[in-house]
Amino acid sequence: RKEVEQDPGPFNVPEGATVAFNCTYSNSASQSFFWYRQDCRKEPKLLMSVYSSGNEDGRFTAQLNRASQYISLLIRDSKLSDSATYLCVVKANTNAGKSTFGDGTTLTVKP
Amino acid sequence: NAGVTQTPKFQVLKTGQSMTLQCAQDMNHNSMYWYRQDPGMGLRLIYYSASEGTTDKGEVPNGYNVSRLNKREFSLRLESAAPSQTSVYFCASSESGLDTIYFGEGSWLTVV
Repeated sequence: RKEVEQDPGPFNVPEGATVAFNCTYSNSASQSFFWYRQDCRKEPKLLMSVYSSGNEDGRFTAQLNRASQYISLLIRDSKLSDSATYLCVVKANTNAGKSTFGDGTTLTVKP
Repeated sequence: NAGVTQTPKFQVLKTGQSMTLQCAQDMNHNSMYWYRQDPGMGLRLIYYSASEGTTDKGEVPNGYNVSRLNKREFSLRLESAAPSQTSVYFCASSESGLDTIYFGEGSWLTVV
């Protein structure tokens, strides 16, 4: 079993739809959690950090469930420009400096 | 602010040739990383450096060596390139192991 698992998709949704991605992790010592966005042939870029209390940035909401060891990303009112691959990232202090990336979930938003 | 800069952006090598990918960051970060990403796959950590003067193996270190030249620079060397090393290579850095990682734009390497 991979340390960090994501549904690879692809998720194909119409503009304006709400879509949610989940990411499960196996290391209970994990301490930091992030969602990254990667466009085709580009580097991953930070979308948002994920805090225990949950956090929202515009149309994006991230949540953490430590008990069940998963994080989620909710995108409301999807735009064409949201089409990308979304990577979840988990860090544990026990692996100093070593982040574990999920393989990514691909989202395509269609007109 | 340049962030993380890596060179070259594109390179074609013949099997058995050697080359070094260069990476520099201007954010005064302690930790630096080298990842590879193959088509349709996730990022795999090759080597990382938690701080200046230290380096450690990641998930896929075989065939690679690294040097943390100073706090700014972290290079990746392929001593004898193989077709299996055809990939996109990303250098990255973070202030510490638990902080946000910032990536360079990537280096596309083809070994023929």
